[in-house]
Amino acid sequence: DIQMTQSPSSLSASVGDRVTVTCRASQRISNNLNWYQQKLGKAPKLLIYAASSLQSGVPSRFSGSGSGTDFTLTISSLQPEDFATYYCQQSFSTPPTFGQGTRLEIK
Amino acid sequence: QVQLVESGGGVVQPGRSLRLSCAASGFTFSSYAMHWVRQAPGKGLEWVAFISFDRSIEYNADSVKGRFTISRDNSKNTLYLQMNSLRAEDTAVYYCARGRAAAASDAFDIWGQGTMVTVSS
Repeated sequence: DIQMTQSPSSLSASVGDRVTVTCRASQRISNNLNWYQQKLGKAPKLLIYAASSLQSGVPSRFSGSGSGTDFTLTISSLQPEDFATYYCQQSFSTPPTFGQGTRLEIK
Repeated sequence: QVQLVESGGGVVQPGRSLRLSCAASGFTFSSYAMHWVRQAPGKGLEWVAFISFDRSIEYNADSVKGRFTISRDNSKNTLYLQMNSLRAEDTAVYYCARGRAAAASDAFDIWGQGTMVTVSS
């Protein structure tokens, strides 16, 4: 199975900050990388698919980049509703696997 | 409105069985691959099972292989997860999720609200 490792595991930031979360795959996965946001007690929500494609309805302050083994999720200007946990997930091979999550907290 | 609604969760003793359902609406259910994903309390996300749009292909995670069976009824727009020989480590919120494309490993673009399964004596 492909292992996905996110960093940092938690992050404190302020409204208006630019934030970057990193995800590394244990082997090359081309651009088969997706990002999700999960708020407490809610289902995950797809933000970015295929490494850099914005899911319909997701604000443009979210962006993704990367290919191969290293990927990033960037939030250009944090809004209050962005404080949540973020997960990466590889869709290169079965089983699909997730990173351990990055918890984004208010500073 | 595109929607997935899970049901069937509850408290069950170790070794017993439970069947989860996921009712789909607002889209052509029979055209999409579907998945189950679970999340143990305070933990991350774990993919559990996949079924192709036409039921021809199924995959399970190694952690549930031989115990869980995914199925679907396209005439009822419903996805199922039959869970047998339940263990304490199966305790989790179970989500059904739509695959964005047809592949077994894919992005999950629509999620249900989840149903809690607790395995405890």
